[in-house]
Amino acid sequence: SQQGEEDPQALSIQEGENATMNCSYKTSINNLQWYRQNSGRGLVHLILIRSNEREKHSGRLRVTLDTSKKSSSLLITASRAADTASYFCATVLVSGNTPLVFGKGTRLSVIA
Amino acid sequence: DAGVIQSPRHEVTEMGQEVTLRCKPISGHDYLFWYRQTMMRGLELLIYFNNNVPIDDSGMPEDRFSAKMPNASFSTLKIQPSEPRDSAVYFCASRPLAGGDTGELFFGEGSRLTVL
Repeated sequence: SQQGEEDPQALSIQEGENATMNCSYKTSINNLQWYRQNSGRGLVHLILIRSNEREKHSGRLRVTLDTSKKSSSLLITASRAADTASYFCATVLVSGNTPLVFGKGTRLSVIA
Repeated sequence: DAGVIQSPRHEVTEMGQEVTLRCKPISGHDYLFWYRQTMMRGLELLIYFNNNVPIDDSGMPEDRFSAKMPNASFSTLKIQPSEPRDSAVYFCASRPLAGGDTGELFFGEGSRLTVL
């Protein structure tokens, strides 16, 4: 089934550094979304990028989408300890009106 | 505005017992989703509803699992009988129709189930 796969599975960085997470998917999409999950909590929507967009910004977040490579990246600039969480990409198929299918996530640890 | 509310937050039960997980979606949201999260398999979609009608239950692992949505403000996921391999965190999520097929999902805090 359609599923995003995040890479790396785990990432550990120092506070202030940038964190980059990647997502690959298999078939054509309508849009791709990134979510964050703090330990023991539910997922929270971060940002959505549509298939006709190449880059999107929201605060310290920057998302890119390359539909030719079927990949997306999430960049968190100037990371903070509070950014420590798991990050998931989720895709909506081009046929639309389909539920989100999630990858297994990237566990980010930001060390103060 | 209250978010998606799930109960119980934690449940420990013994194999063979019936488990009922509950969800109250955000008022006005037309779609409701049940996901299961494990380390091995990540987040799996179990079933989703549109206007209280089940649309796709192909993710429900076995006949031991059933889900209902008797009205727009309440849904249950039942496991009977439960097995140790059902141990996971179960999430409920909702979204409004206005979001169509591109809108974000709003998740509850999850129900952590442990079956001994």
